[in-house]
Amino acid sequence: DTAVSQTPKYLVTQMGNDKSIKCEQNLGHDTMYWYKQDSKKFLKIMFSYNNKELIINETVPNRFSPKSPDKAHLNLHINSLELGDSAVYFCASSQDLGRQGIFDEQFFGPGTRLTVL
Amino acid sequence: GQQVMQIPQYQHVQEGEDFTTYCNSSTTLSNIQWYKQRPGGHPVFLIQLVKSGEVKKQKRLTFQFGEAKKNSSLHITATQTTDVGTYFCAGPEYSSASKIIFGSGTRLSIRP
Repeated sequence: DTAVSQTPKYLVTQMGNDKSIKCEQNLGHDTMYWYKQDSKKFLKIMFSYNNKELIINETVPNRFSPKSPDKAHLNLHINSLELGDSAVYFCASSQDLGRQGIFDEQFFGPGTRLTVL
Repeated sequence: GQQVMQIPQYQHVQEGEDFTTYCNSSTTLSNIQWYKQRPGGHPVFLIQLVKSGEVKKQKRLTFQFGEAKKNSSLHITATQTTDVGTYFCAGPEYSSASKIIFGSGTRLSIRP
């Protein structure tokens, strides 16, 4: 009964390729996120969606394009992969965005380790 | 911009010793969350603190939120090997109520 699942778990690809990472949550949550964790373990938010609507779009290259076909899914497509894109990408979900700055707890997926050669 | 800093970056302790990680924000936080990430794993929510001066306990873990709501700490008493991992604090960004910022994390390793 995985709450937040991601596929694939590992992704090794050549520079210049296009790849997608899929994320699904079965918690009935309204909000989903994509995070990037680099080799130093810094965790940075990339995007967040609430009820399929884009809420946060951090300063990431426009080679990264999220897509939310429905509330339970948030996929990440990356065009023209570069060496610097190598990282672990985490999907997460929360009940809602929270209210008055009080955030709901986030449930993270297992991560996708992307290696660009 | 707003920063959420954690110290220390790394901590290596003997099993049974205590451990503390500190989280400091450049701005007042409406709330703060703590997460734990085991090696090779994903962040897992531990707790949320909302009130000024709040203290919460979970078995050997004690969480505190500063009176000014600009700092927080996580203290583990008598560490065990199961405590190994990276501990992150996270709080809302001042300029965007819908964005959460994670601290830089403290990586805890333990000598058995």
